[in-house]
Amino acid sequence: AQSVTQLDSHVSVSEGTPVLLRCNYSSSYSPSLFWYVQHPNKGLQLLLKYTSAATLVKGINGFEAEFKKSETSFHLTKPSAHMSDAAEYFCVVSDLLRGGSQGNLIFGKGTKLSVKP
Amino acid sequence: EPEVTQTPSHQVTQMGQEVILRCVPISNHLYFYWYRQILGQKVEFLVSFYNNEISEKSEIFDDQFSVERPDGSNFTLKIRSTKLEDSAMYFCASTGRRGQPQHFGDGTRLSIL
Repeated sequence: AQSVTQLDSHVSVSEGTPVLLRCNYSSSYSPSLFWYVQHPNKGLQLLLKYTSAATLVKGINGFEAEFKKSETSFHLTKPSAHMSDAAEYFCVVSDLLRGGSQGNLIFGKGTKLSVKP
Repeated sequence: EPEVTQTPSHQVTQMGQEVILRCVPISNHLYFYWYRQILGQKVEFLVSFYNNEISEKSEIFDDQFSVERPDGSNFTLKIRSTKLEDSAMYFCASTGRRGQPQHFGDGTRLSIL
């Protein structure tokens, strides 16, 4: 079965400092991985996706993630945090390659990012 | 940019009552999904829908739940007799192809009293 583990439930950084949100996945196949962000009282917005084309994936708002098969990791990074980055971030794997699946998403528990001025 | 829209944003219902949550997926999308997020817990898959029928459902999606695409635009989730534990945020999502990123609505917060 596929799953994702987000190693930190809460990360706090100062504005202008780097962001690292950690995610490890478990998959029997080559996975499709995503990061979504959820701002308060809003829906889930796609930040970036990995679908085996390139291991370093660039997303919106300056975020990027690197797929490391040897470490089964897909950590999300940003060089310099902005106040508007404060939100909850979800690492997600698609169940697509399981027989009969319609690509249901399996979510991690989320990491709440706080950005201090 | 096209969006998935969900109504209402907040629904308060007495236990045992029926509730219908509504979604308008992106117009050219073919795959539709419902997820829920109980407060403080992870987002969980409920059901997927393709070609006018349920393609997969989770253990959560029991006989109290149903989905329907009554016309060419709406996609609804019905809970027949609500329980306290149905209180959650319900998200609708759609995509044009399996495996492609799903686009989510802003969610409906369902509160059961």
